[in-house]
Amino acid sequence: NAGVMQNPRHLVRRRGQEARLRCSPMKGHSHVYWYRQLPEEGLKFMVYLQKENIIDESGMPKERFSAEFPKEGPSILRIQQVVRGDSAAYFCASSPSTGLRRETQYFGPGTRLLVL
Amino acid sequence: GESVGLHLPTLSVQEGDNSIINCAYSNSASDYFIWYKQESGKGPQFIIDIRSNMDKRQGQRVTVLLNKTVKHLSLQIAATQPGDSAVYFCAENMAGNQFYFGTGTSLTVIP
Repeated sequence: NAGVMQNPRHLVRRRGQEARLRCSPMKGHSHVYWYRQLPEEGLKFMVYLQKENIIDESGMPKERFSAEFPKEGPSILRIQQVVRGDSAAYFCASSPSTGLRRETQYFGPGTRLLVL
Repeated sequence: GESVGLHLPTLSVQEGDNSIINCAYSNSASDYFIWYKQESGKGPQFIIDIRSNMDKRQGQRVTVLLNKTVKHLSLQIAATQPGDSAVYFCAENMAGNQFYFGTGTSLTVIP
């Protein structure tokens, strides 16, 4: 049973370019979360999505960042016009459902973005 | 926003000894907690969780203790092994699916 998959694992962009990060949740999971981790820091929540819906984007920067989780295919975190401060590790996590019981989130290996 | 903090950023233990990693949380409404282990270059790996209706939960070589009175969480690792060297995060959840993570404690096991 494959875990959460993310690609690419490493991404280098120049300032002003676009970065697209992909996340495929675990089989049977319909909820996806994106987190950002700066060096020597903990994970900061960015956005929570279900298929075709953004449930909570309270952690997303207001500009340049967007996320989607289409009916088919992986979830995409998109960063437009990247700046050096966007350099970080971006982790995706998935869970099976919410309901009334909080579900454990399982993390992918992350995408390490470096902006030159 | 609420923060989850750790008392010690680094911890070194001798192989075979027990390790205790502490975590303080600030939101008394948090009712679900997870400990994650993150090895260098990898994503966080689930270790153990606990809900607020419990004060102790045991797994394989790990025990999580929850003290809601002082809003404190700890992870105990028995007979620490070199493979346990990693950064350990606690995460709290109060509603919905958003988790708040602490900065992490770096555990180093000395052979």
